[in-house]
Amino acid sequence: DTGVSQDPRHKITKRGQNVTFRCDPISEHNRLYWYRQTLGQGPEFLTYFQNEAQLEKSRLLSDRFSAERPKGSFSTLEIQRTEQGDSAMYLCASSLVGGGGAFFGQGTRLTVV
Amino acid sequence: KNEVEQSPQNLTAQEGEFITINCSYSVGISALHWLQQHPGGGIVSLFMLSSGKKKHGRLIATINIQEKHSSLHITASHPRDSAVYICAVQGGGADGLTFGKGTHLIIQP
Repeated sequence: DTGVSQDPRHKITKRGQNVTFRCDPISEHNRLYWYRQTLGQGPEFLTYFQNEAQLEKSRLLSDRFSAERPKGSFSTLEIQRTEQGDSAMYLCASSLVGGGGAFFGQGTRLTVV
Repeated sequence: KNEVEQSPQNLTAQEGEFITINCSYSVGISALHWLQQHPGGGIVSLFMLSSGKKKHGRLIATINIQEKHSSLHITASHPRDSAVYICAVQGGGADGLTFGKGTHLIIQP
């Protein structure tokens, strides 16, 4: 296991389409985070899982956004009816409960045209 | 909600210079992360610290919990150090990270 991996790396979609991103965390990590980063800004927290339970959701996560981590391993982030304002880098990170750093994936860059 | 401020926002320096990037936060934390982001790339975690000082190669990170302040230093800077450096803080419990807006560093040869 070489780290957190995200797929795809880049996604271009038309406004109104649905998109789904995947994150595979470091295998023994039980915490998984999703962040969004728009151009020129620092990342913003979206949601967080501990094992399969989604424990926290930011108010940034509108009804069009849904995240799952069905087996406590990989996670998916789906955006329905995409809007141009959804264009951003979507970052995933994982960590262990009780300590250790957060390890980040390379991100998925979404462009909504 | 923790407010995280980084300074400077932009920094251009010559190769070999000693670089300092600062981070201040408003509420007590359990840990602070320094992250590096290259253009178009993902984020690499450089340090996680909750007290004192850590060193890795030419990078040094310090934190003063009482003053709610951390610094990232780069010694003998090199053009490959050019990147955005982001400070992120972690609250108590199971909170996600709160990020600063980043410091855009350019090291000129």
